[in-house]
Amino acid sequence: AQSVTQPDIHITVSEGASLELRCNYSYGATPYLFWYVQSPGQGLQLLLKYFSGDTLVQGIKGFEAEFKRSQSSFNLRKPSVHWSDAAEYFCAVGAGTASKLTFGTGTRLQVTL
Amino acid sequence: DTGVSQDPRHKITKRGQNVTFRCDPISEHNRLYWYRQTLGQGPEFLTYFQNEAQLEKSRLLSDRFSAERPKGSFSTLEIQRTEQGDSAMYLCASSPPRDRGVYGYTFGSGTRLTVV
Repeated sequence: AQSVTQPDIHITVSEGASLELRCNYSYGATPYLFWYVQSPGQGLQLLLKYFSGDTLVQGIKGFEAEFKRSQSSFNLRKPSVHWSDAAEYFCAVGAGTASKLTFGTGTRLQVTL
Repeated sequence: DTGVSQDPRHKITKRGQNVTFRCDPISEHNRLYWYRQTLGQGPEFLTYFQNEAQLEKSRLLSDRFSAERPKGSFSTLEIQRTEQGDSAMYLCASSPPRDRGVYGYTFGSGTRLTVV
């Protein structure tokens, strides 16, 4: 069975600082990996995805993520955080481009000014 | 096309009552998914449809839950005899056929259910 672990429940960073959110997955085959962002009371917005190819993927809002098969990780990064990035971030794994997704428990990002 | 629509946005109901939620997917999407998200957790898969066929149901979907997608268009999720533990955000998502070769998984804004 596939699973996702997000070890950090809550992270606080200063505006302008760099950010890294951790994600570890468990999946028996080649994973399809995703990062979503959720603002309070809202649905999920896709930040970026990895299916194959270049292991460093670029997403929206200046986010990027790196797939490391040897570490079963797909960490999300941003070089300079903006106050509007404060939200909940979810990592997810799927079996294909349109399969059901398994989500982690999320990391809540707080940005201090 | 304005994306995946869910109705209502919020629902407060008394324990024991039945509730029904509606999801309208993106029109060309043949797959439709329901997820449940409780406070402090990630979304959990409930069920999905390909066209009008319900192809998979999670063990989370107890006998009190039923989902339909008549004619392969909109979908409804009904919860009978609601319990306080049913309080959650119910999210719907849709995606295009696999053979499109592109990723088109889109979530709606969800229906927040509160059982009192």
